[in-house]
Amino acid sequence: DADVTQTPRNRITKTGKRIMLECSQTKGHDRMYWYRQDPGLGLRLIYYSFDVKDINKGEISDGYSVSRQAQAKFSLSLESAIPNQTALYFCATSDLGRTYGYTFGSGTRLTVV
Amino acid sequence: QQQVKQSPQSLIVQKGGISIINCAYENTAFDYFPWYQQFPGKGPALLIAIRPDVSEKKEGRFTISFNKSAKQFSLHIMDSQPGDSATYFCAASMGRQGNKLVFGAGTILRVKS
Repeated sequence: DADVTQTPRNRITKTGKRIMLECSQTKGHDRMYWYRQDPGLGLRLIYYSFDVKDINKGEISDGYSVSRQAQAKFSLSLESAIPNQTALYFCATSDLGRTYGYTFGSGTRLTVV
Repeated sequence: QQQVKQSPQSLIVQKGGISIINCAYENTAFDYFPWYQQFPGKGPALLIAIRPDVSEKKEGRFTISFNKSAKQFSLHIMDSQPGDSATYFCAASMGRQGNKLVFGAGTILRVKS
């Protein structure tokens, strides 16, 4: 099983619909992140959580919300999806170890029509 | 406004050649500079990283060169192989902000055989 699992892998939804992207991890890391990837823009941070009771906005949080249900689970919601939220979404985890490396999931490709 | 500027956007290199990707940053508080490699359909994976107290780090065919005074760092891939074809992201973080990563826009590398 993958260390960081994202569901669904692909999703097409209609404008105005609420959608939730889910992320679970088996790394045992405290820190979890949601990034959005767009061509030519790289990866931009949406929300992050350093532990279960900690939720912080990233640089592009408008239109998104998150929930940290447990150490291993971090979900991203689009309350009312719009076409410019069409993107590739990644969940990542990290610890405060020596390398500060992130472990990414395989991504969710979201299309809003 | 991108805090880490990456160039070029795309790069084509012949097999056996040297691939060079450059990044520049403004915030002198950044203290960790990783490179991530992403294959199609996968999440980014940590490739190599450097801290500003050294000017170069080498791991196999991959080398980071770091110029603190110029606020620039680069990835060199020696003897580039078709299997190196991927998207590469530079990133930066600062310890006092919890090591959240800020990513460059990415470089699509194609190595021609």
